[in-house]
Amino acid sequence: DVKVTQSSRYLVKRTGEKVFLECVQDMDHENMFWYRQDPGLGLRLIYFSYDVKMKEKGDIPEGYSVSREKKERFSLILESASTNQTSMYLCASSFGTRNQPQHFGDGTRLSIL
Amino acid sequence: GQQVMQIPQYQHVQEGEDFTTYCNSSTTLSNIQWYKQRPGGHPVFLIQLVKSGEVKKQKRLTFQFGEAKKNSSLHITATQTTDVGTYFCAGPRGSGNTGKLIFGQGTTLQVKP
Repeated sequence: DVKVTQSSRYLVKRTGEKVFLECVQDMDHENMFWYRQDPGLGLRLIYFSYDVKMKEKGDIPEGYSVSREKKERFSLILESASTNQTSMYLCASSFGTRNQPQHFGDGTRLSIL
Repeated sequence: GQQVMQIPQYQHVQEGEDFTTYCNSSTTLSNIQWYKQRPGGHPVFLIQLVKSGEVKKQKRLTFQFGEAKKNSSLHITATQTTDVGTYFCAGPRGSGNTGKLIFGQGTTLQVKP
């Protein structure tokens, strides 16, 4: 069974801090994704990676960066956290071929005070 | 830009009643995927439809893909409390083979016992 593990279930940080969210998958998936989930807005793509060191901006990349140094690990970085980044963050992974389902982690509920 | 819309946003039903959520895309889709997110959980892949007019069933759940491949529906017969959650449809972004999906906003189902 595919396992996508996010480092923290809940996280509280302060405005201006640099925040790291980590995600690890164990299925050798090529694709990894970071989404943000807010009520009424569904899942919005922040960043996407299709290979090690490769990344693409999603719909809402402002204020975020990512790192993929190893195939199994995809990190989301909030360079200088702001209160409007308080949200649920979901990591997902999938195989690189077309039409593959995405497998999600449990999510990190991040609060910026 | 490309959009995927779902209606309704919320639905409250009495246990035993039927439920339907509709998904409409601004573009023709090569396939559509459906996910379910239980309260406090993460989205879990349910099914993928690929062919025009395709109908698939999973027990009490019936999924349809429209003839024009721009809309889809999920119908639940005789809802149970275990059906509670948010149902998302998702289609491929653009025409490439990247594996990126665009998600609808989701329909949240509440079932009164």
